[in-house]
Amino acid sequence: GAGVSQSPSNKVTEKGKDVELRCDPISGHTALYWYRQSLGQGLEFLIYFQGNSAPDKSGLPSDRFSAERTGGSVSTLTIQRTQQEDSAVYLCASSLVQGRGSTEAFFGQGTRLTVV
Amino acid sequence: DAKTTQPPSMDCAEGRAANLPCNHSTISGNEYVYWYRQIHSQGPQYIIHGLKNNETNEMASLIITEDRKSSTLILPHATLRDTAVYYCIVRVRPDSSYKLIFGSGTRLLVRP
Repeated sequence: GAGVSQSPSNKVTEKGKDVELRCDPISGHTALYWYRQSLGQGLEFLIYFQGNSAPDKSGLPSDRFSAERTGGSVSTLTIQRTQQEDSAVYLCASSLVQGRGSTEAFFGQGTRLTVV
Repeated sequence: DAKTTQPPSMDCAEGRAANLPCNHSTISGNEYVYWYRQIHSQGPQYIIHGLKNNETNEMASLIITEDRKSSTLILPHATLRDTAVYYCIVRVRPDSSYKLIFGSGTRLLVRP
């Protein structure tokens, strides 16, 4: 597709279970971002990937959260031992980095995670 | 990245111009002003960005003051579909991290 694709669109999981959220960025985009948005709140930065550079993990809230990006394309955000406070919409974005500049970031529609 | 200050909410009448202010008094010379919006239940959408000159595209105009300490996003003829949260962000471009840090934004309500 032409845009950023995230799956699943909705996920309900039991407290304590692990979940994996997937992001397919726009083809050719070298930068990929993960954010989360709790109900009624703003966007919280989680992690950023750019090419082969070490990811910026400064926004990950705890060591239960991890993310990887395989082959510079698809990314998976994993939350281990989910807690109720992890319930949120998880948003992925990608952008094209060219030389010393970058294009705007394009966002997916998000995965709504509900921990019960 | 510099912090931004926006009013929490605004409203305007449909068909009128919506002028959304943003204060970024600590902006550095190499930082750009970006605007995104988030319509309910959707991912954020890029609107426009600028450095020091005023910018216009098919969606909006961006007016940046001469001292660059504030800017205004203008939607010239607001429609009901422009009801959204509007985020003003400043960040270095280019920047080694490129990450976007969102503030709380302005919730714009366009009234019929």
